[in-house]
Amino acid sequence: TQLLEQSPQFLSIQEGENLTVYCNSSSVFSSLQWYRQEPGEGPVLLVTVVTGGEVKKLKRLTFQFGDARKDSSLHITAAQPGDTGLYLCAGGRNQGGKLIFGQGTELSVKP
Amino acid sequence: ETGVTQTPRHLVMGMTNKKSLKCEQHLGHNAMYWYKQSAKKPLELMFVYNFKEQTENNSVPSRFSPECPNSSHLFLHLHTLQPEDSALYLCASSPRDRGRFGYHEQYFGPGTRLTVT
Repeated sequence: TQLLEQSPQFLSIQEGENLTVYCNSSSVFSSLQWYRQEPGEGPVLLVTVVTGGEVKKLKRLTFQFGDARKDSSLHITAAQPGDTGLYLCAGGRNQGGKLIFGQGTELSVKP
Repeated sequence: ETGVTQTPRHLVMGMTNKKSLKCEQHLGHNAMYWYKQSAKKPLELMFVYNFKEQTENNSVPSRFSPECPNSSHLFLHLHTLQPEDSALYLCASSPRDRGRFGYHEQYFGPGTRLTVT
């Protein structure tokens, strides 16, 4: 069974702090996606990384794919209350559109 | 662009009822998916359709019956559900022809919150 383990599962921080969320697996993925989900809504795609060691930035969010393509991290700089939500990582392999999702990290940023 | 829409947004049904969930995508994608999201569990893939053909059934009980009449519409027919089937049901779509990993970039609808009583 391919598993993606996310850590931490819950994170509560003050506005302005930095944080990192991790997504780890023993399996190699051909691509990895990060999504953010707000209450009552579906996940929204933030980024896709496909190359080992790849780093992508989206404003204050920095995503990195591990060199061996087994893990990924999401770093948020100077978090804001609008960053609050459930962050999900998902790994894809070459067998069609099937994605393996992590259990998510619930982030709460307090003003 | 309205993306992926799902109706109804909320549904309460008894165990003997029959109901259907509807999903429509306006993105020109040709792959569509049903997922189940339960509290404290990772998203569970239920079904995958590529170009209207079912390519994945992730050991889903027969009380869930999908239907994909065309690449833009996806239905999930429900009957004789159990209380443990209560969850958020999410529909997603993805392109099959946008680069090598386009089909991994899935776009989700807002979900149907299902409660089985």
